[in-house]
Amino acid sequence: GQQLNQSPQSMFIQEGEDVSMNCTSSSIFNTWLWYKQDPGEGPVLLIALYKAGELTSNGRLTAQFGITRKDSFLNISASIPSDVGIYFCAGLGVQGAQKLVFGQGTRLTINP
Amino acid sequence: DAGITQSPRHKVTETGTPVTLRCHQTENHRYMYWYRQDPGHGLRLIHYSYGVKDTDKGEVSDGYSVSRSKTEDFLLTLESATSSQTSVYFCAIRGTGGMNTEAFFGQGTRLTVV
Repeated sequence: GQQLNQSPQSMFIQEGEDVSMNCTSSSIFNTWLWYKQDPGEGPVLLIALYKAGELTSNGRLTAQFGITRKDSFLNISASIPSDVGIYFCAGLGVQGAQKLVFGQGTRLTINP
Repeated sequence: DAGITQSPRHKVTETGTPVTLRCHQTENHRYMYWYRQDPGHGLRLIHYSYGVKDTDKGEVSDGYSVSRSKTEDFLLTLESATSSQTSVYFCAIRGTGGMNTEAFFGQGTRLTVV
């Protein structure tokens, strides 16, 4: 089945640093979504990407839909304490397009 | 916030008992999903629905069944709960067409099987 490999699994950074994480797959995806999850809450959508090569920003967050349609990355610039949480990528594939599959998550910890 | 409600929010049950979790939406979205979240595994798809009475299996469907008799409700049933099904369960909904493919999540149900 479709699987997403998300890396890194965890990150420990200093406040103010930039962050980069990515997702790769052996399958082609039509849509990439990036979510953030705070403790005790459900994931919240950050950015949605719909076309290969698309680069989209949401404040300090920037995400790109890979040109091969098999990968995506998320960057966070100038991290702040409220960026702490778990970040997930998710994809809607070409085959079985109704399935929304997730990466394993990247846990971000920020040292003040 | 998307109109999606999960119930119960917390449940403790005994091994071998049946358990049903409910996901209710007010958005009239076509797609509904059940995931479980465990440390180190992210969100794993259990079952999903693409319409009333239309459901299909995800990657970890063994031991679970679902039903969708109306658009707004998607039920997840553990036929005979086991300790390995202790987890946090999330429901998600998604619309159709064009850019309306973003999925929104409920608050989660924490299930403990003792």
